[in-house]
Parts: sequence; structure tokens; C-alpha cells
Amino acid sequence: AQSVTQLGSHVSVSEGALVLLRCNYSSSVPPYLFWYVQYPNQGLQLLLKYTSAATLVKGINGFEAEFKKSETSFHLTKPSAHMSDAAEYFCAVGGRPYSGGYQKVTFGTGTKLQVIP
Amino acid sequence: DTAVSQTPKYLVTQMGNDKSIKCEQNLGHDTMYWYKQDSKKFLKIMFSYNNKELIINETVPNRFSPKSPDKAHLNLHINSLELGDSAVYFCASSPPPGQGAYEQYFGPGTRLTVT
Repeated sequence: AQSVTQLGSHVSVSEGALVLLRCNYSSSVPPYLFWYVQYPNQGLQLLLKYTSAATLVKGINGFEAEFKKSETSFHLTKPSAHMSDAAEYFCAVGGRPYSGGYQKVTFGTGTKLQVIP
Repeated sequence: DTAVSQTPKYLVTQMGNDKSIKCEQNLGHDTMYWYKQDSKKFLKIMFSYNNKELIINETVPNRFSPKSPDKAHLNLHINSLELGDSAVYFCASSPPPGQGAYEQYFGPGTRLTVT
């Protein structure tokens, strides 16, 4: 079984301020973890992913996330928010595939990021 | 070139009607998905196909029937539409395990409104 909890359905930051979007996961196997972004009226786009190669993962548009096993967290950060970062952000968890098997990815409920000029 | 495309983008119909949504991907992926996103942005998987074979079938009413004529296409047919079916439906595809860790590529979505 796997699940994702995103703390805060809405987050507001000033332009230029630090962005921190929180995600905690639960998984019975070592997880794959993802952050996706959804701009208004568009599909989801992958920001970054964790696959156990490195605990600090860098993604597109200056975002990064750190996998902390002890805290079961995968928080998303960006040092300086830009107006174009305003969007919905989804954390997701997928279990490791076993031989011939496919496991589904479970998405969090999303966090809407507002950037204030 | 559009990687994952869906048609139509908007669909407005009345209760009781039958409608279909089409999805095509040109990424060469074997696995495709249908998701439903409700008005609160909650994203829930409905179905997944791998190379035309159904591999995930969540608890979805049997009014919903996916069809995969080939691995590049996954269509969704909905019978006897209900008000609660109003949502945005996303198609997605992903490479096989070991080639992308379930990284998914999403289409632009189909906004279905049932009146």
C-alpha cells in the first residue's frame, strides 16, 4: 500500500521568496517519488523524480527536492519564486516494480502555489 | 510534435448519453493510463494498459470501458453518462519499468460536462 500527503492545499509566497511545498509519503517498498506541476487548463508535467540514485534531486525551472527516509518526506523547494511558478503542484509515489509487474502511481491532493508580486 | 494528445478537449453532453474520448501517444511507450481529476483537483487512476493488455482496473463503474486498439492508442467510452461523471479526464503514458521509473507523460485533458 502507498499514499501521499501534501500539507497545505494553498501556499502563497512573495516573488523572490523561498518556495517550500511539503510532501510526506507512505510505502511498503522503497519508493519512487515524483513532483509534477499543472498549469491552468493543462496536463501534468514532470518537475523531478527520485529513484534512489541521490537524495537531493534537481529538476526543471530551478526546483529541487530532498528525499529523507527517516522523515518519509520529499519536500519541494525553490530558492526564489517567480510569477511563472504559480500553478498546482502534485507529489506522487510509486512502488518499485517487481518482475513482470506494474504498480500504479498514487498522487497527492495537490498544492496550489500563489506568487504575490 | 504533441507527445500525448486527446480529443476532444471539451465535451458537453446530457445525462444518459454515451460518449468517447480518444487518446494517442507518439512516444513509443507501452503503457497508457486514464485518470479522472475532479473539481478539487484530486487525481485518481482509472485504468492502465500495457501493450493493449489491461493491467490496472480501479473501482470504476462498468459504464466506463477502455479500449486499446494498439499500444499507441487508448480510448475511453462512457455509457449512460451521469452528473457525477463531470470532470477532467487525462490520458498518460509511461516507458516500461527500468526505463523511466513510471515517469508519466500527460495529455492536455478532456473537460467533460454532463448537464
